[in-house]
Parts: sequence; C-alpha cells; structure tokens
Amino acid sequence: DAGVIQSPRHEVTEMGQEVTLRCKPISGHNSLFWYRQTMMRGLELLIYFNNNVPIDDSGMPEDRFSAKMPNASFSTLKIQPSEPRDSAVYFCASSLKGATEAFFGQGTRLTVV
Amino acid sequence: KQEVTQIPAALSVPEGENLVLNCSFTDSAIYNLQWFRQDPGKGLTSLLLIQSSQREQTSGRLNASLDKSSGRSTLYIAASQPGDSATYLCAVTVDKIIFGKGTRLHILP
Repeated sequence: DAGVIQSPRHEVTEMGQEVTLRCKPISGHNSLFWYRQTMMRGLELLIYFNNNVPIDDSGMPEDRFSAKMPNASFSTLKIQPSEPRDSAVYFCASSLKGATEAFFGQGTRLTVV
Repeated sequence: KQEVTQIPAALSVPEGENLVLNCSFTDSAIYNLQWFRQDPGKGLTSLLLIQSSQREQTSGRLNASLDKSSGRSTLYIAASQPGDSATYLCAVTVDKIIFGKGTRLHILP
C-alpha cells in the first residue's frame, strides 16, 4: 500500500477563497483523522470518522471548516472562506479502529495570503 | 478530558549519550500509546506502538515503556546519533488520537 495520500502538498490561496484538501486513507482502515499543526498549538485534532461517519467534530474551529467522507477511500476538508489564520500544515491519518497503529500522510502546507 | 504532556520541550545532548524522553497523560483509559518522529517540514513517522496491556516495546536503539496506572510513558534512545535529531511526539488513543506538543531533540556531533 502507498500509505495515506494527501493532496495537494502545498497550497497558496488568497483570503476569502475556498480551499479543499484531500485524503486517501490506507485501504482497509476504518478510522480517519484530520489534524492541523501550527508552531503555537502543535497538532490539533479537527475531526475524525469511523466507518465514514463523523464521530467527533468538536475540534473544527469554525463553521468555515467542513469535512466529508463520501466513501471508505476518500475524504475532504474544506475551508470556505479561507483566512490568513488558517495557514498551517494539515495532516490526515488513518487506522483500524481501536488499538492499532495510526499512519499519517505527508501533510498539506496551506498558506492564505 | 484527556491531556498529553511532554517534558522537556527541547533537549540537546552530545552524540553517543543515552537519553530519555517523557510523556504523561491524564486519563488511563487508553487503547494504546504511540511514539512518532517528525523531521522539519515533514510528516509523522510511527516509531513504536504500545498496547494498553503491554509494558514496553523495543525497536533497535529505541525502547518505549508504558505505566498506565501512573499515566506515564518514556522513550529511551540508546547511543544517540546526529541522525536522531528531530521532534518526538507522544500520542494516546482513546477513540481519537491525542498528541502532546513534542520534544525537540538535537544531538550534538
């Protein structure tokens, strides 16, 4: 398996634009996590899914953020409208639910100017 | 609410020394604990996974221990090398995975 695949790797956008980040989890994994990493706050969990169903979205900072998982092999994180303070590295991770190892993608570095 | 703390936040040691990184968590009801490594500008690489029923795991020069009752884990690195320089992150899995803020390790040649 190629691991967790995120796209794009880098995204530069203007304030107010819509941004969509994509994630393909490892085949067979049934839990998917979206994280945001900044120097100030470290790794923050935004939302996680089990079996394509959102379980906990309490980490989503505002209504401008939304996430979907239409099937077991694809998830998106959307920011609309984007703001400069959204600039961060966004990671996606997947695992088998419960006591198994989590694997991370390489991340998407988002810059909002 | 589960919180994960890592001490120290940064550490510099001479090459060849053995070292210990610490991780503590507030709620012992975890599925597992995982140690990750992150190089600057890169993603997270899993180093060791300790299940809640286990006490330790070893991989090469790395040894991780888990004491659930006290809410503590340590990552022991033997005979440190400059290539070990990175940020080391501890994470516990409840239903979700919760991270500490990491320890930035610098091995001095």
